Amino acid sequence: GEDVEQSLFLSVREGDSSVINCTYTDSSSTYLYWYKQEPGAGLQLLTYIFSNMDMKQDQRLTVLLNKKDKHLSLRIADTQTGDSAIYFCAETRNSGGYQKVTFGTGTKLQVIP
Amino acid sequence: DSGVTQTPKHLITATGQRVTLRCSPRSGDLSVYWYQQSLDQGLQFLIHYYNGEERAKGNILERFSAQQFPDLHSELNLSSLELGDSALYFCASSESSHNTDTQYFGPGTRLTVL
Repeated sequence: GEDVEQSLFLSVREGDSSVINCTYTDSSSTYLYWYKQEPGAGLQLLTYIFSNMDMKQDQRLTVLLNKKDKHLSLRIADTQTGDSAIYFCAETRNSGGYQKVTFGTGTKLQVIP
Repeated sequence: DSGVTQTPKHLITATGQRVTLRCSPRSGDLSVYWYQQSLDQGLQFLIHYYNGEERAKGNILERFSAQQFPDLHSELNLSSLELGDSALYFCASSESSHNTDTQYFGPGTRLTVL
């Protein structure tokens, strides 16, 4: 299967932590990515994790990967109003010698001041 | 700024028409990918070119085609446009064609078909 699923909406208060979840179905995924899309803008790569890692931290961002459950999460510490956006997870896998990317449905994060 | 440029930013046209979207990859990147983002279908991979050659096709309609030129810029041609083709079209580029490469996205072209 090729589905990548995310919850549609998350609302948090400024200063709290946000956790955005993603589930995927293809165990052969090699890299998993998190992208941010602000209103009217393109996709911005936030971070990525290789499939043999469990965790990756990059400043306020922490990515956790549970390969057994095919579950990926993005934690944003000290969430700010500027973090309000849609967040997409994406998986890549090698398909016939090329990289195929499948995106999740996107989670809209609303940060309440 | 990802270094990937797309033109035009906005495009409004009528059903049945044909349009061309342009993408310039980051300097040094050999791969260009095209994606469509719509309310109905979400983000979908359309096609991938590497150094001028088609490498992969995703959910691209037969009415759509693309090419990558010797200077590595790419064009996505959409013909016999339908209302449902209204969407944001992104291109992305990466260094090579490996699945370890990170793709960098352009700002997108918003196509409205009336």
